[in-house]
Amino acid sequence: DTEVTQTPKHLVMGMTNKKSLKCEQHMGHRAMYWYKQKAKKPPELMFVYSYEKLSINESVPSRFSPECPNSSLLNLHLHALQPEDSALYLCASSQGASGGIYEQYFGPGTRLTVT
Amino acid sequence: AQTVTQSQPEMSVQEAETVTLSCTYDTSENNYYLFWYKQPPSRQMILVIRQEAYKQQNATENRFSVNFQKAAKSFSLKISDSQLGDTAMYFCAFMKQNTGNQFYFGTGTSLTVIP
Repeated sequence: DTEVTQTPKHLVMGMTNKKSLKCEQHMGHRAMYWYKQKAKKPPELMFVYSYEKLSINESVPSRFSPECPNSSLLNLHLHALQPEDSALYLCASSQGASGGIYEQYFGPGTRLTVT
Repeated sequence: AQTVTQSQPEMSVQEAETVTLSCTYDTSENNYYLFWYKQPPSRQMILVIRQEAYKQQNATENRFSVNFQKAAKSFSLKISDSQLGDTAMYFCAFMKQNTGNQFYFGTGTSLTVIP
């Protein structure tokens, strides 16, 4: 069983909708990540939260807005998405975000389709 | 920037045989970590094995082992006694020490185990 959970598993939304993806981890990790993954491609890092503060913000369009209410929860708010945003969105967590080996543990993902 | 190269987009292996997946990387760092992740079809990504660059001994996890050649910047994964459940995308990943845990993923190798 995964210790990183993501909801919903599937999401279909129109380009004018607002929706949110949710991620939760129960391992006491202090770093959480959002990735976007296209079919048969590696995950692309979108955001990193370390100790509930955004520490890496790649050049991601503003229609994606992350939120980290506490160290166990991570949300990704979606607004005015484009069809090319359709992808698998993965959440991951790791013990920390600096020093040592902090392998990342991935959730099962949310399959997003933008129509 | 770090680059990770997986030169074999697709591979196949007979059940019970051994297969080796290649990964090379480019870095000027001396301290870093390397990982192999497995992503079965429509299932979540899981960590297979990890290697610390400062360790000369190759990592082993049951049927999975690596051949880490630091000077050559090579990090191949050997799967022994291949099983049908090994069918998956395999991603090699590189992480610098003390960098906020940013992973650099390779492009992936799609492995099919043939009964």
